[in-house]
Amino acid sequence: EDQVTQSPEALRLQEGESSSLNCSYTVSGLRGLFWYRQDPGKGPEFLFTLYSAGEEKEKERLKATLTKKESFLHITAPKPEDSATYLCAVLMEYGNKLVFGAGTILRVKS
Amino acid sequence: ETGVTQTPRHLVMGMTNKKSLKCEQHLGHNAMYWYKQSAKKPLELMFVYNFKEQTENNSVPSRFSPECPNSSHLFLHLHTLQPEDSALYLCASSQVGQGNGYTFGSGTRLTVV
Repeated sequence: EDQVTQSPEALRLQEGESSSLNCSYTVSGLRGLFWYRQDPGKGPEFLFTLYSAGEEKEKERLKATLTKKESFLHITAPKPEDSATYLCAVLMEYGNKLVFGAGTILRVKS
Repeated sequence: ETGVTQTPRHLVMGMTNKKSLKCEQHLGHNAMYWYKQSAKKPLELMFVYNFKEQTENNSVPSRFSPECPNSSHLFLHLHTLQPEDSALYLCASSQVGQGNGYTFGSGTRLTVV
């Protein structure tokens, strides 16, 4: 069964304390892996797309990496405004289906 | 208007009511989706429409009825819902064949009383 698992479920950081979020997947075929940010009461907002193992993408304090089995979202020196739920999703090779993990709730305290 | 627009933002309905959620995309995409998001659960794909044709129905109860009159508009008709149907309902769109992710609307927060 195609599955996307995110860990940890929740993460509390102090401002400036770097850390990483994990997304592991077991799917029959991968066309792409996506990271989204979701604020309370809003829809997911696109962050990154990764298509092949070894690929990396960066945006401000965020950096996403991809291996054959998992992806990491590294957060460097986070700020309170980085607090949100971060969602990982896999676009299946066949069909046009995006399968989501349950997300990681990130709280950054000043 | 840009992106994906959903209305209403909030909806409270009784179990005997009939209501509809509306979604409109301004991106020229050819596929649209309904997702359900409940607390502490992954987004659940409900329906997929490619080129206005429904291509997926993930065992959704018949009290949820989708409608896609054209490639820019998507509706979710609701009737005789249950309290456990209370959730955030998200609409998304994408361009099939380009390997891109979906663009989401802000969602409708539905409460069934």
